[in-house]
Amino acid sequence: NAGVTQTPKFQVLKTGQSMTLQCAQDMNHNSMYWYRQDPGMGLRLIYYSASEGTTDKGEVPNGYNVSRLNKREFSLRLESAAPSQTSVYFCASNYPARGGEQYFGPGTRLTVT
Amino acid sequence: AQSVTQLDSHVSVSEGTPVLLRCNYSSSYSPSLFWYVQHPNKGLQLLLKYTSAATLVKGINGFEAEFKKSETSFHLTKPSAHMSDAAEYFCVVSDTSGTYKYIFGTGTRLKVLA
Repeated sequence: NAGVTQTPKFQVLKTGQSMTLQCAQDMNHNSMYWYRQDPGMGLRLIYYSASEGTTDKGEVPNGYNVSRLNKREFSLRLESAAPSQTSVYFCASNYPARGGEQYFGPGTRLTVT
Repeated sequence: AQSVTQLDSHVSVSEGTPVLLRCNYSSSYSPSLFWYVQHPNKGLQLLLKYTSAATLVKGINGFEAEFKKSETSFHLTKPSAHMSDAAEYFCVVSDTSGTYKYIFGTGTRLKVLA
């Protein structure tokens, strides 16, 4: 039982390049989430998927797209990376219910130069 | 709308002394509240959660938190700090509108002095 896995762990991009961050969970959770973490700002929600086949914007969706490929996988795409997207990205999953704790992946550290 | 405020961005304690990390929340409904810990260059781990059962919640590694509705607070405490407690701690409130999204506080970095 691996929990939530993310690839890659580290990535350096040049401005304007594109890339996809991958996330998978093996806990049969319905909901999945993408966050970014910046110093002094906590974690901010980029996009989430309440269930397979649905996605919704979070607090900071500009510059990102997502795909809920199936129940296990939820990817985050940067179409044209900008230095402001330098951050640590976390994926999480849970059963969406009162008290349903989220389980987090190990994170992807992205630097855009 | 829900929100959460962590009152201290940095806290320093000596090893063996009590830890207090403060969190206030705002919620129109009875909230679910969580504390997560993040060690350097690691992911987030759940310490404890409150979901309207007992107001004093015990978590892992000797941490506990008390839900006080009258004060809209959910402070995290530990009687005796250990060097391994040095980390960043996040207070989280869960959206009660039906999506159960998390709203994070900005974090408190705990430093433990030898």
